[in-house]
Amino acid sequence: AQSVSQHNHHVILSEAASLELGCNYSYGGTVNLFWYVQYPGQHLQLLLKYFSGDPLVKGIKGFEAEFIKSKFSFNLRKPSVQWSDTAEYFCAVNARGNTGKLIFGQGTTLQVKP
Amino acid sequence: GAGVSQSPRYKVAKRGQDVALRCDPISGHVSLFWYQQALGQGPEFLTYFQNEAQLDKSGLPSDRFFAERPEGSVSTLKIQRTQQEDSAVYLCASSQREGPNTGELFFGEGSRLTVL
Repeated sequence: AQSVSQHNHHVILSEAASLELGCNYSYGGTVNLFWYVQYPGQHLQLLLKYFSGDPLVKGIKGFEAEFIKSKFSFNLRKPSVQWSDTAEYFCAVNARGNTGKLIFGQGTTLQVKP
Repeated sequence: GAGVSQSPRYKVAKRGQDVALRCDPISGHVSLFWYQQALGQGPEFLTYFQNEAQLDKSGLPSDRFFAERPEGSVSTLKIQRTQQEDSAVYLCASSQREGPNTGELFFGEGSRLTVL
């Protein structure tokens, strides 16, 4: 069965620090990959996605993620975080050929100190 | 409305009661998903509709859980004889596409169910 593992459950950074959140998935076939973000009191929203092509994808608000197929990883990065990036981040995967349902990781809570 | 709307936002039920949670997807969206999110966890897939057809219900935890989308728009998730372990946030998501490349899911704010 597919699964997604996020290595960091709770990350605390100061503003301007660099961010990298780890995500690994287990599935042998072709996948689509996503990062979703949930700001306090808001609904989940898409940060970025990878379907095919350039494995380095750029999303909103300066976030990017790199798909490394050999490592089954899709880590999220941002060079310089802001206080407004405080949120919960979820990595998700769906296997091509299924109904499109997403399998989510357990999430990483990011707290950025001003 | 512009987004996915869920109601009620909060529901407190006594153990053994039946509850119904409603989802209004974005107009015209073909695909609709229900997820369950326990405290401190990521969303877990419950069921998937393509229009009115329930194509995947593999994530429903027991036969006490039932979902429908009779006209291919609004969906209802019903939980019968609620148990304490059913306490969670129930998320609805929709997408304008169908099948393997559903792409971006648009989520509602969720319905938080507390079973006493």
